[in-house]
Amino acid sequence: GAVVSQHPSRVICKSGTSVKIECRSLDFQATTMFWYRQFPKQSLMLMATSNEGSKATYEQGVEKDKFLINHASLTLSTLTVTSAHPEDSSFYICSVVGGGAVDTQYFGPGTRLTVL
Amino acid sequence: GENVEQHPSTLSVQEGDSAVIKCTYSDSASNYFPWYKQELGKRPQLIIDIRSNVGEKKDQRIAVTLNKTAKHFSLHITETQPEDSAVYFCAATSGGYQKVTFGTGTKLQVIP
Repeated sequence: GAVVSQHPSRVICKSGTSVKIECRSLDFQATTMFWYRQFPKQSLMLMATSNEGSKATYEQGVEKDKFLINHASLTLSTLTVTSAHPEDSSFYICSVVGGGAVDTQYFGPGTRLTVL
Repeated sequence: GENVEQHPSTLSVQEGDSAVIKCTYSDSASNYFPWYKQELGKRPQLIIDIRSNVGEKKDQRIAVTLNKTAKHFSLHITETQPEDSAVYFCAATSGGYQKVTFGTGTKLQVIP
């Protein structure tokens, strides 16, 4: 399967600051990546679908101006949490489709965001 | 859109016993059903998947069954071991780069 990395693995920031999370597909070119958010003891909730070279598709209820997604290359997608607040504290995980079956998703290791 | 329900939310079994987790889905167009295992603080790991043209799939101690008519699919783990303890998520997708809808998760505890 696909090998996916994320950076940073953990970040602590003050309320009001912006945080950028990188998701990289290390072993193949990914035209589509997904961003999920997972609160403690809850399931993964899809935030947006990141498409290389075009605008991301956001799920209902996800503020596109707050969660900026850029998929500028076939191996890198970034999620920027702008003006972060404590309620944005969560585990953010990206995934890549492919590297084998066309519909199997492979996940990055996740980024733990804590907003003070 | 797709809705995936998963039961039970928690499951405790004695080491060596079997564990069964059940899911239902709502979208008849869904045709790919992966199962993920997630340990605390780590990424979900794909453990087995099944496509809609197959009724059952087995990989060593893990098996998945699918009933398309009833829109049910289940994960079966036999001869459970303490290292099987984790949260398990079922999911459904219509395939072809479509988004995945996850179930609510089952916390499995295998008691030594």
